[in-house]
Amino acid sequence: GENVEQHPSTLSVQEGDSAVIKCTYSDSASNYFPWYKQELGKGPQLIIDIRSNVGEKKDQRIAVTLNKTAKHFSLHITETQPEDSAVYFCAARFVRDDKIIFGKGTRLHILP
Amino acid sequence: DTAVSQTPKYLVTQMGNDKSIKCEQNLGHDTMYWYKQDSKKFLKIMFSYNNKELIINETVPNRFSPKSPDKAHLNLHINSLELGDSAVYFCASSHSSSYNEQFFGPGTRLTVL
Repeated sequence: GENVEQHPSTLSVQEGDSAVIKCTYSDSASNYFPWYKQELGKGPQLIIDIRSNVGEKKDQRIAVTLNKTAKHFSLHITETQPEDSAVYFCAARFVRDDKIIFGKGTRLHILP
Repeated sequence: DTAVSQTPKYLVTQMGNDKSIKCEQNLGHDTMYWYKQDSKKFLKIMFSYNNKELIINETVPNRFSPKSPDKAHLNLHINSLELGDSAVYFCASSHSSSYNEQFFGPGTRLTVL
C-alpha cells in the first residue's frame, strides 16, 4: 500500500550540531519528495523538496538526499539553531492517485 | 496578504451538531485540499479538488461533505459530529497537482464535547 515511514519520531541535538531525519517510501514510481516544517500552532510550511531526477539538493543549511533504488530520502540540517525546533514531515507523491502521503513527523528539539 | 485562510480558527461544539469550516486562497491555484491532523500530529489527506471537481476522497465518512463554489474556495461541512472528529483540520492549495508545493492554511482546531 501507499506508505511513508519516518524516523526518528523525536530528535534532540545540541545547538550547532547537525540533525538527520530519514524516510522510506513504498511506491517506486513516486517522483516528488517535499519536506515540511510545522511550528507550534501553525500550518506546515515547505522548506525544501526534491524531484526524482536528482539525487541531492541543498539550500543554505538544509539539504535533502534521495536514493531511488533504496526508496529512501533524508533531510540534513547543519549548524542547528534554536529556531529549527519544530515538527518536520517528509512526504512522497504517489503518482497513480496524484496525492501526497506524509510521514508521521519528527519532533526536533535544539538544546542550548 | 494572507495566502490560505481558514475560518474559524477554533471550533468547540457538542456531539451530534453540524458545523462548517471555510477555506479561501488568493494564490490563483486550481487545486485545494483538506487534511486532518490528529492529536499525535499524523497528517492525513481527506479530499482534494481540482477546478471545483472532486479528485480524491480518502474513505472519509459521508458525514463529511466538501464543497467548492469556485477555484478559490473549498469548504468542509461535517454532520452529526462525533468525539473522534476532534482534530486540527488544514486546508491547502497548489498549482495543478500534488507535484507542486502545497501551501497550508493556519488550521482549524475542532473540539467535540
